[in-house]
Amino acid sequence: AQSVAQPEDQVNVAEGNPLTVKCTYSVSGNPYLFWYVQYPNRGLQFLLKYITGDNLVKGSYGFEAEFNKSQTSFHLKKPSALVSDSALYFCAVRDGGYSSASKIIFGSGTRLSIRP
Amino acid sequence: DAGVIQSPRHEVTEMGQEVTLRCKPISGHDYLFWYRQTMMRGLELLIYFNNNVPIDDSGMPEDRFSAKMPNASFSTLKIQPSEPRDSAVYFCASSNRNDGANVLTFGAGSRLTVL
Repeated sequence: AQSVAQPEDQVNVAEGNPLTVKCTYSVSGNPYLFWYVQYPNRGLQFLLKYITGDNLVKGSYGFEAEFNKSQTSFHLKKPSALVSDSALYFCAVRDGGYSSASKIIFGSGTRLSIRP
Repeated sequence: DAGVIQSPRHEVTEMGQEVTLRCKPISGHDYLFWYRQTMMRGLELLIYFNNNVPIDDSGMPEDRFSAKMPNASFSTLKIQPSEPRDSAVYFCASSNRNDGANVLTFGAGSRLTVL
């Protein structure tokens, strides 16, 4: 069975500093990995994905994520945080090894707080 | 496209009443997912459909919950009878497998409060 873990409930960063939100996963086949962001009283919005290829993927709003197969991790990063980045971030995984399955499982979420 | 449309946005009901949540996916999307979000349990996958057919309903909590997708443009999630522990935000999301990864587009959610 696939699973995804976000070990930090909250991450606090000063504006202008780099940020990292951690995610680890477990799948039986090749992972398809995603990051989504949720603002208050809104649905989740897609940020970026990894399917194959370059381990560093770039997404919306200046975010990027690094796929590390040996550590089964897919950490979200941004070089310089903005106050407007404050939101709830979710990592998600789909088992790409089972071609007909599209079950997408989400982590518990990490609340990112950027202080001015 | 107006995106994924969910209704109602807010529902307050009393224990024992029937609740029906509705979802209109993005036109052309062939997958539809229902998720439930609570503080305690996070975002849980309840059920998903492919081409209107339920594929995996292992996340549906119990027999009180049922979901249907009678056509490509409409799905319902029904709770009968409702209980206070069903209080949550219910999200519908749709996707197109042809994008290669099944990137989800979420609706704004239906916030359910069962008294």
